[in-house]
Parts: sequence; structure tokens; C-alpha cells
Amino acid sequence: GAVVSQHPSWVICKSGTSVKIECRSLDFQATTMFWYRQFPKQSLMLMATSNEGSKATYEQGVEKDKFLINHASLTLSTLTVTSAHPEDSSFYICSARGGGREFQPQHFGDGTRLSIL
Amino acid sequence: GQNIDQPTEMTATEGAIVQINCTYQTSGFNGLFWYQQHAGEAPTFLSYNVLDGLEEKGRFSSFLSRSKGYSYLLLKELQMKDSASYLCVPLDSNYQLIWGAGTKLIIKP
Repeated sequence: GAVVSQHPSWVICKSGTSVKIECRSLDFQATTMFWYRQFPKQSLMLMATSNEGSKATYEQGVEKDKFLINHASLTLSTLTVTSAHPEDSSFYICSARGGGREFQPQHFGDGTRLSIL
Repeated sequence: GQNIDQPTEMTATEGAIVQINCTYQTSGFNGLFWYQQHAGEAPTFLSYNVLDGLEEKGRFSSFLSRSKGYSYLLLKELQMKDSASYLCVPLDSNYQLIWGAGTKLIIKP
């Protein structure tokens, strides 16, 4: 149980392109979803937290107009990196937590490796 | 401030036992997770402790002492596939996960 699917796994695109990443909870309802970014050999950095049907809460320093998050249903959240530039190249990982209890573990998708040329 | 202290790297032999220690300081505390992360992959949930004591799950066990701000992950019968980073992740008073860099565990034959 507790499977989270993230798509696509890899994206390589030109600078200025917008990229959409999907995160789905396959066998549970994810009341809360999280988006992280991880640079090589560094720890995960939380970008934003989203609850179904409401606006995402962004961490300090994360541009909400650049990283658009939509959590329209209990099983789907999307992250759109708008007008991506080479410095946005990173490993983006989503996670989902179900049951509404905040001490439930987060279950992670497989991540999306984004390379902007 | 919030802080997590784990060894940067550890090496162990296949078939042996290894203990990865973690001390933490957080604003409030609502439990502690251990995650495993293989290179280039997303983290995988291993365990959750909220009360003091030892939780055993197969080859992996996790221990917590809240008064000492201390936890450890014990891995038995090490296999080559256990080579990964192990992340000690406390949950603060706002139920935020506090991520550190983890411990890179290298298993040698």
C-alpha cells in the first residue's frame, strides 16, 4: 500500500520552457502533498505544502509564480516550473500523506530529474 | 534552532550489524522518522518512533530516547543493497519534517 506515482521521471528541455510534473497517490487519499527539491549531495529542501482544494503554502525563498502548484483532487497534485532556466535543474520529488493525521509518514514518488539546457 | 547530527559516512561489512546514531534539537517534537535513500532515488519510509524505546521491523530496528534527543537505526545481517543514505527526520511542533543530509552507508563484501 501507500504507493505514490510521479511522472515524468526525466525531463530535458530548453531554457524558457514550462515543465509540468504530476504526482498521484494510487491507493490512498492524500489530503496533503509536499514538493521537494534536492541538489546533488544535499538534503531535501521542502518547496511547498498543498492541501486538497486550497492554495499551496510555499517555503521562504520559493517563488510561487515560478513554481505553480495545483492540488485539485485527493489523488493528484501538479507542479509546473514556468519559464525554466538552467539553475532550475534539480531532482524534484513529491510526497503524499493520507489519513489527515500529521504524524503519518510521507510516502514519496520516484522523483523527476529536470535538466534545463 | 533546529539541528540534526548524524555521521556523514559509515562503512560496514556484508552480513554484519551497524548502528547509525542521530541526535537532534527541534522546536517541539512529534516523533521521528527514519528514511532510506538510494543514490539518485527518492526516500523510502523505514520507521516511525514517537514513544521511547525500540521498534523492530525485520532486519531494521529504530530506538528513541526523547529526553536525550537521541535515536538510532540498527541494521542487521547487512546486504549489499543496504548501501544507501539513511536519514533521521524529526517532526517538530508544527508537524514539519526536519531534513538533514543523512548518513551514507557503504557496505563492503
